[in-house]
Amino acid sequence: DSGVTQTPKHLITATGQRVTLRCSPRSGDLSVYWYQQSLDQGLQFLIHYYNGEERAKGNILERFSAQQFPDLHSELNLSSLELGDSALYFCASSVDGRGRVNEQFFGPGTRLTVL
Amino acid sequence: KNQVEQSPQSLIILEGKNCTLQCNYTVSPFSNLRWYKQDTGRGPVSLTIMTFSENTKSNGRYTATLDADTKQSSLHITASQLSDSASYICVVSEGDYKLSFGAGTTVTVRA
Repeated sequence: DSGVTQTPKHLITATGQRVTLRCSPRSGDLSVYWYQQSLDQGLQFLIHYYNGEERAKGNILERFSAQQFPDLHSELNLSSLELGDSALYFCASSVDGRGRVNEQFFGPGTRLTVL
Repeated sequence: KNQVEQSPQSLIILEGKNCTLQCNYTVSPFSNLRWYKQDTGRGPVSLTIMTFSENTKSNGRYTATLDADTKQSSLHITASQLSDSASYICVVSEGDYKLSFGAGTTVTVRA
């Protein structure tokens, strides 16, 4: 158990809908990262938040947005869902915002299925 | 083009045997290189993290090597066990925040 929690574990929805994925980082970790992992692709970095502020953006679609709240939990919002958004969404946390040697601890993931 | 290339894409080995996975990268500036193990449907778990000055790092039966000059890394699994069956992902950190992920090598250990 990494100490990172994600809810829900599974999510099934229809095209065009909007969903919210939630992540609680490890106690004391200030950074939260979101990743997408599709069946035919490796992990794709989406976005990084540090202590409530956006620090870096990766391959995140405009239909997707995220935020980190004062209690440091984070939410990833996915809207106007398409079939291709079906994937595993992982959240990871680390102690601070520097990726230099900070180990990222991954949550168990949310499996999103868009029908 | 992906800046982190892993080989082989997949491999099958017999329990008790050794294997070596390769990672070549073009990421620059280089900050550190990580190897993760990911069981199917679960989050990746860190095996090793190496900075520029480190040539080798071990974690139990896993040994990672790094040649920053040639931009190559390897992960050696010794005396493989059935529980080693997983995807092994090479991740290179570019600067402070940006991580580049390899596509992974799927290892299957058979009894």
